[in-house]
Amino acid sequence: AQSVTQPDIHITVSEGASLELRCNYSYGATPYLFWYVQSPGQGLQLLLKYFSGDTLVQGIKGFEAEFKRSQSSFNLRKPSVHWSDAAEYFCAVAPSGGYQKVTFGTGTKLQVIP
Amino acid sequence: DAGVIQSPRHEVTEMGQEVTLRCKPISGHNSLFWYRQTMMRGLELLIYFNNNVPIDDSGMPEDRFSAKMPNASFSTLKIQPSEPRDSAVYFCASTSDDRNEQFFGPGTRLTVL
Repeated sequence: AQSVTQPDIHITVSEGASLELRCNYSYGATPYLFWYVQSPGQGLQLLLKYFSGDTLVQGIKGFEAEFKRSQSSFNLRKPSVHWSDAAEYFCAVAPSGGYQKVTFGTGTKLQVIP
Repeated sequence: DAGVIQSPRHEVTEMGQEVTLRCKPISGHNSLFWYRQTMMRGLELLIYFNNNVPIDDSGMPEDRFSAKMPNASFSTLKIQPSEPRDSAVYFCASTSDDRNEQFFGPGTRLTVL
């Protein structure tokens, strides 16, 4: 069965600092991978996704993620964090072609301090 | 595009009452998903429909929960009778076969007293 682990429950960064949120997945083949963001009181919004091809994926709001098969990781990065990035971030995995069966991580809550 | 619409946004009810949550997917989408989000268990898939037919309901916690999709533009999730442990945020999401991603509604925050 597929699974995804986000080891950091809560992260605090200063505005303007760089950010990396960790995500490790477990799946027998190359999965579909996603990062979603959830602002307070809102639903989840897709930041980026990886299906195949270039392992560095660009997303919205200046985010990027890199798929590393050898490490079973799909870490999310942003070079300079803005106060509006404060939210909860979810990594998710689905079987190739089976986007319906998405498994979400437990989320990482990002706090941004001025 | 109005996005996925859920109603109500907030629901407070007493234990034992029936609760009905509603979802209108994005027009043209043929798959619909119901999720439950809690602090303890995170985001869990309850059920998903494809072309109005329930495909996987293995996440539905028990017989008190039921979901229907009478047509392509409307779905309900019903809890009868409700219990305090059902308190959570319930999300609806939709997609189409050519999109490979799910679009989420704003959620319904349910509190069962």
